Amino acid sequence: TQLLEQSPQFLSIQEGENLTVYCNSSSVFSSLQWYRQEPGEGPVLLVTVVTGGEVKKLKRLTFQFGDARKDSSLHITAAQPGDTGLYLCAGASLTSGSRLTFGEGTQLTVNP
Amino acid sequence: DADVTQTPRNRITKTGKRIMLECSQTKGHDRMYWYRQDPGLGLRLIYYSFDVKDINKGEISDGYSVSRQAQAKFSLSLESAIPNQTALYFCATGHRNEQFFGPGTRLTVL
Repeated sequence: TQLLEQSPQFLSIQEGENLTVYCNSSSVFSSLQWYRQEPGEGPVLLVTVVTGGEVKKLKRLTFQFGDARKDSSLHITAAQPGDTGLYLCAGASLTSGSRLTFGEGTQLTVNP
Repeated sequence: DADVTQTPRNRITKTGKRIMLECSQTKGHDRMYWYRQDPGLGLRLIYYSFDVKDINKGEISDGYSVSRQAQAKFSLSLESAIPNQTALYFCATGHRNEQFFGPGTRLTVL
């Protein structure tokens, strides 16, 4: 069974601070996605990374896929209250087809 | 209109009752999935379907069944609900390795 471990599990910061969320595994993934989920809604796809070492930017969010494709990070610059939510990473392996393994999530709260 | 819809959005039922959760999509994707979400346990896959004639068990299929009525419709049934099936249930469609989620159904079994 492939596992994805996210850290930290909870994060509460002030508006304007920077933060990084980590997603780690001992398994290799063919691709990895990051989702954000707000209360009462389903997860929404933010980005997909597929190449080892790949870096993608989405406004103030920077996503990186590890060189060995076993880990990923999400960095938010100058966090805003609107960034509050549950951030989930999910990986697809070469053997799982399109099935995804989800991390348990990082609950981010950005206080004004 | 939303690409993936789920009905009902909220449901309270009693132990032993049969419950059906429905999912419809307009994205035209062949792949559809049912997950449950519990605090501290993340999203866990219940069943998935790659087309109308293909149904597969996920990691926690016991106590659940599914029906793929059409490419656009995938329903989840709890034949005899029990309290530990209280959870948030999400339907998703898939294209390549990306998945797109519905708004969820909050199910409470008393």
